[in-house]
Amino acid sequence: AQSVTQLGSHVSVSEGALVLLRCNYSSSVPPYLFWYVQYPNQGLQLLLKYTTGATLVKGINGFEAEFKKSETSFHLTKPSAHMSDAAEYFCAVRGDSSYKLIFGSGTRLLVRP
Amino acid sequence: SQTIHQWPATLVQPVGSPLSLECTVEGTSNPNLYWYRQAAGRGLQLLFYSVGIGQISSEVPQNLSASRPQDRQFILSSKKLLLSDSGFYLCAWINIGVSAFFGQGTRLTVV
Repeated sequence: AQSVTQLGSHVSVSEGALVLLRCNYSSSVPPYLFWYVQYPNQGLQLLLKYTTGATLVKGINGFEAEFKKSETSFHLTKPSAHMSDAAEYFCAVRGDSSYKLIFGSGTRLLVRP
Repeated sequence: SQTIHQWPATLVQPVGSPLSLECTVEGTSNPNLYWYRQAAGRGLQLLFYSVGIGQISSEVPQNLSASRPQDRQFILSSKKLLLSDSGFYLCAWINIGVSAFFGQGTRLTVV
């Protein structure tokens, strides 16, 4: 079965500091991996995705993630945090059916001025 | 362009009352549609998905049901709500690996 583990339910960084949100996955099929962001009382917005090809993927708002098969990881990074980045971030993996998308438990990013 | 509509945005219902949340999509045909629930302090739990009219797959046995009466309509229902049904419900239209659109969500509070 497929699963996603996000380490750290809360991450706090200073404005301008590096953002690193961790995601590890397990998958019995070639993984499709995703990062989504959720602002308060809103739905989810796709930040970036990995399906095949280049393992370093760039997304919106300056975020990027690197697929590391040997580590079964897909960590999300941003070189310099902005106050507007404060939100909840979800990592997701395609499930054992091509119709399932399995989410991690989420990481709330706090950005300190 | 593709859009997804979900309503209502907020709902307060008493225990034992029925529930109906509606989701519709525009700009596509035969979409794969999903219902997720986000409980307080927890991640997103997949409840149901549908790959076509009348086709419903249930992921978690519970007090809820789903229906797909039309190609672009997906409904989440309950005959009798429980306190544990409170949460944030999200409808999604997902073509895995290609695109994913989420509704704005419904915050349900069962009192």
